[in-house]
Amino acid sequence: NAGVMQNPRHLVRRRGQEARLRCSPVKGHSHVYWYRQLPEEGLKFMVYLQKENIIDESGMPKERFSAEFPKEGPSILRIQQVVRGDSAAYFCASSLVQGRQPQHFGDGTRLSIL
Amino acid sequence: DAKTTQPPSMDCAEGRAANLPCNHSTISGNEYVYWYRQIHSQGPQYIIHGLKNNETNEMASLIITEDRKSSTLILPHATLRDTAVYYCIVRVVDSSYKLIFGSGTRLLVRP
Repeated sequence: NAGVMQNPRHLVRRRGQEARLRCSPVKGHSHVYWYRQLPEEGLKFMVYLQKENIIDESGMPKERFSAEFPKEGPSILRIQQVVRGDSAAYFCASSLVQGRQPQHFGDGTRLSIL
Repeated sequence: DAKTTQPPSMDCAEGRAANLPCNHSTISGNEYVYWYRQIHSQGPQYIIHGLKNNETNEMASLIITEDRKSSTLILPHATLRDTAVYYCIVRVVDSSYKLIFGSGTRLLVRP
């Protein structure tokens, strides 16, 4: 059974470039969550998506950040014009259904901004 | 903000039981308690969850007090590989059921 797959595991970008982080949920899971973990801090919720729909983006910065989960293919978290403060680990989680089913996490993408 | 309070760090000897406490005095009647752990540089790993009854699985046991204001995660025979940060989370009941992580407890298992 394949778990949540995230790629790349490590991503280095220069200030002003774009970063694209990909997440393939557990097969059959249609609910995807993105979280961000700044150095030495806990995880913070960013956005929750179902297939083709953003349900809750209350934790995502209003500018430069966007997320999608198309009908086919992985979920994408996109950061435009990256800044040093975007350096963090970004984790994706998926669940089978909404509610009390546990979320299962990938091993994250570590984004470093030069 | 997280609805839970945990000690910042604990330690236990390898082979002994590790009992990790969590306070969640403002928990609502329909909110579940979840436990995750994060081993350095990995993604959070789901351990167990419960509503009001005690739960047990192959990884751990979860003991929830009758008033549901606190709980304890028990790792019955801790190993060195159980060294991690353990997060107790009261799962939000809203449109997203997102997880709100606090600071967790850093458990060190000593040889």
